[in-house]
Amino acid sequence: NAGVMQNPRHLVRRRGQEARLRCSPMKGHSHVYWYRQLPEEGLKFMVYLQKENIIDESGMPKERFSAEFPKEGPSILRIQQVVRGDSAAYFCASSPAGLEKLFFGSGTQLSVL
Amino acid sequence: KQEVTQIPAALSVPEGENLVLNCSFTDSAIYNLQWFRQDPGKGLTSLLLIQSSQREQTSGRLNASLDKSSGRSTLYIAASQPGDSATYLCAYHAGGTSYGKLTFGQGTILTVHP
Repeated sequence: NAGVMQNPRHLVRRRGQEARLRCSPMKGHSHVYWYRQLPEEGLKFMVYLQKENIIDESGMPKERFSAEFPKEGPSILRIQQVVRGDSAAYFCASSPAGLEKLFFGSGTQLSVL
Repeated sequence: KQEVTQIPAALSVPEGENLVLNCSFTDSAIYNLQWFRQDPGKGLTSLLLIQSSQREQTSGRLNASLDKSSGRSTLYIAASQPGDSATYLCAYHAGGTSYGKLTFGQGTILTVHP
């Protein structure tokens, strides 16, 4: 059973470009979370999704950020018009149910030039 | 504002020592608390999860305790090894939500030298 798969591992974008981060949860997991780790800061919750539904996006910036978890395919975290402050490690986690243990992916390191 | 503080921020010990990592939190209504390990360039590995009704959990050389009333958790590592070198994070799940919205501390960077 493969773990949580995130790609790409590293993503470099210039200011103003779009960044798309992908996350495939563990098999059998229908709950997906995105967390962000800014330099010198702890991980912060961004968004929680179930298949085709955003349940809690309270930690996600109101502008330029969006997330989806379609019926088929991976979850996508999309950042439009990236700025240098978006440079961070973005981690995806999944769980089989709401209050079960979270399993984390290896993260995507986003660097904005 | 709900916060998690981890002390010390960094720790360097010789191999074989027993050590304690500390985690304190301000939210007394937690549902559970987890300790994670993060290796450079890798994701988080869950080490131990303690439910709010439990006092401690053990796995191999690791023992985690939870004291909700004082807002503290400790991770005890026995007979440390160089392979234990990593960043250790604690995170709690606040009560009131039915999903894994975790609040993380900033971590303790542990170095175990031979």
